[in-house]
Amino acid sequence: DAKTTQPPSMDCAEGRAANLPCNHSTISGNEYVYWYRQIHSQGPQYIIHGLKNNETNEMASLIITEDRKSSTLILPHATLRDTAVYYCIVRPPLNTGTASKLTFGTGTRLQVTL
Amino acid sequence: DSGVTQTPKHLITATGQRVTLRCSPRSGDLSVYWYQQSLDQGLQFLIQYYNGEERAKGNILERFSAQQFPDLHSELNLSSLELGDSALYFCASSVSLTGEQYFGPGTRLTVT
Repeated sequence: DAKTTQPPSMDCAEGRAANLPCNHSTISGNEYVYWYRQIHSQGPQYIIHGLKNNETNEMASLIITEDRKSSTLILPHATLRDTAVYYCIVRPPLNTGTASKLTFGTGTRLQVTL
Repeated sequence: DSGVTQTPKHLITATGQRVTLRCSPRSGDLSVYWYQQSLDQGLQFLIQYYNGEERAKGNILERFSAQQFPDLHSELNLSSLELGDSALYFCASSVSLTGEQYFGPGTRLTVT
């Protein structure tokens, strides 16, 4: 599986955009980038995923660079409830036997402050 | 609320014992996954079942086993428990083999 690198921690002021970077320089052409978050020992929560194009949903936006070697998760207006560990995961191609498992790294601990 | 339920929420047991953790997937989801989260190992994939059949295996110990029943709920059995098995155990479900996974609230296992 492609390895991901994330900063261990970040701070963000409430109401501001939180931009969480992720490097995945060994990603292959048909691997997806997934983002999950975990709020204080709760079950991880799916946020968004993408392959090549930028994606947006009600929770966040995902910007993937043209060479796909890095991506940024954007929470447009962070709130205190967004304080969590954010995991960037590169997922094997969905038609392979290893696509099922999610390989979680250490993630980025985002602290949203007043 | 993800729609995935897990019981019990907390479990305290002694070394050498056997426990069963239960998971009910979201309505309509056929795939169930088990993950273990410990302080030193992080979140690790254990095993996946799809419509009653084992489909993928991760770092699951031989002392651990799982199954998925016809009603699609799943159980994770942990036997000959050791102190190092103390962890959070999460179940996740997805509608297909490779769909987005939705996680339950977890079972916190403490082995004393």
